[in-house]
Amino acid sequence: EPEVTQTPSHQVTQMGQEVILRCVPISNHLYFYWYRQILGQKVEFLVSFYNNEISEKSEIFDDQFSVERPDGSNFTLKIRSTKLEDSAMYFCASSRDPPSYEQYFGPGTRLTVT
Amino acid sequence: DAKTTQPNSMESNEEEPVHLPCNHSTISGTDYIHWYRQLPSQGPEYVIHGLTSNVNNRMASLAIAEDRKSSTLILHRATLRDAAVYYCILRDVTSGTYKYIFGTGTRLKVLA
Repeated sequence: EPEVTQTPSHQVTQMGQEVILRCVPISNHLYFYWYRQILGQKVEFLVSFYNNEISEKSEIFDDQFSVERPDGSNFTLKIRSTKLEDSAMYFCASSRDPPSYEQYFGPGTRLTVT
Repeated sequence: DAKTTQPNSMESNEEEPVHLPCNHSTISGTDYIHWYRQLPSQGPEYVIHGLTSNVNNRMASLAIAEDRKSSTLILHRATLRDAAVYYCILRDVTSGTYKYIFGTGTRLKVLA
């Protein structure tokens, strides 16, 4: 069964450094998403992406965040200058067209900012 | 998106059915009811969704009240692997937004 994959599984970085989290969505999906979950808290929506542009973003997704689909398979989330409060699990998800279909989530990347 | 209310936690014995309730009294006519679950240390996993009629799939059944103000996710035979946080989420696909707004869900504990 196809699945969303994410790399790395765990990333440790120092405050102020840039990080790139990578995702490979399911191959025939056209809508892509990033969510995050701070330890012990709810899963929070960050951004959705379709047709090479952001279709929706939350208040969390400020200028420090960016997303990109650099090729036909990868979908990345970049945090330019990490803060301690960016420490969280980051989940990538994808869905078919139309996006009313269910979203398939990856296993997540645990980001630890020290 | 309309809000949902779920119990914080529930327990079930292994191999017995589990009924996970969800109240959504402010649901609109175009809100779909989605259920996801999150196993420990994993990403959310789609379980089932429906609009008005009851739905069945290989994982679970979804029973929707006639007035749609509540729904119940039914796991027919709970296994230890079903121990997870279960989220009931409403999403209006006519709103132009496709994000999920997760609540705190119901933590299901399955006893061996």
